[in-house]
Amino acid sequence: EPEVTQTPSHQVTQMGQEVILRCVPISNHLYFYWYRQILGQKVEFLVSFYNNEISEKSEIFDDQFSVERPDGSNFTLKIRSTKLEDSAMYFCASSGGYNYGYTFGSGTRLTVV
Amino acid sequence: AQSVTQLDSHVSVSEGTPVLLRCNYSSSYSPSLFWYVQHPNKGLQLLLKYTSAATLVKGINGFEAEFKKSETSFHLTKPSAHMSDAAEYFCVVMGGNKLVFGAGTILRVKS
Repeated sequence: EPEVTQTPSHQVTQMGQEVILRCVPISNHLYFYWYRQILGQKVEFLVSFYNNEISEKSEIFDDQFSVERPDGSNFTLKIRSTKLEDSAMYFCASSGGYNYGYTFGSGTRLTVV
Repeated sequence: AQSVTQLDSHVSVSEGTPVLLRCNYSSSYSPSLFWYVQHPNKGLQLLLKYTSAATLVKGINGFEAEFKKSETSFHLTKPSAHMSDAAEYFCVVMGGNKLVFGAGTILRVKS
C-alpha cells in the first residue's frame, strides 16, 4: 500500500535555528498538507498546498514557516527561526482529491531546546 | 465553521467487550467525517470515512460508525475489543479543504 514518508522521525534543534522537515507524498496525489500536534493538544492544520502554491494556511503558519515542493516528489516544511513553542509532532499528509481521505506520514517529532 | 466534539477523553473496556467512542459534529452543510487512529509513536491511520453515501460506514479492523443527522453524531463502534485496539482515536470533519480534528479519545483495553 502506498505510504507517505517523513524524515527525520526525530529532530532536536536549538532555539533560533532553522529546520527543514521532509515528506515524500504518494506519487499520484495532488494535494499536500502539514499538520502539527503539540503534546497533549489537538492535531492542528498548518497549511495546504496544491498546484505548486499554498491554497490555505492557518493563523499558526506565520512568516517563520514556509513550504515548497522543490523537485516534484519531496514536500518540505521549513521553520526559519525555531521557538520553544514549535516543539511538536509534525505530520505530512497527501490526498488524491476531495473526499478521498488523507494519507498521513508517521510524523517528525521536533524538539526545540 | 465545522467542528467535532469527542465526548470522552478516555474509555476503558475489557478485551472481548464492545467499544463505543462518541463524537458529535457541527457543520453548516452535509459533512464529510472520518475516524483516524494513532498507535503509540505511529502516524495517523484512516479507519473509515463518511461522505454522504450509506449512513453506516464499515472500516478496517472491525470498526464501524453510523452517521445520524438528527443527533449530529458519528459514533465509532466495534463489537469486540482486542488488545491491539488500544490507541488514541480521532473524530475528524472536513472543513473546506482541510481536516478539523477532535481532541481525541484514548482507548484502553484490559485483559
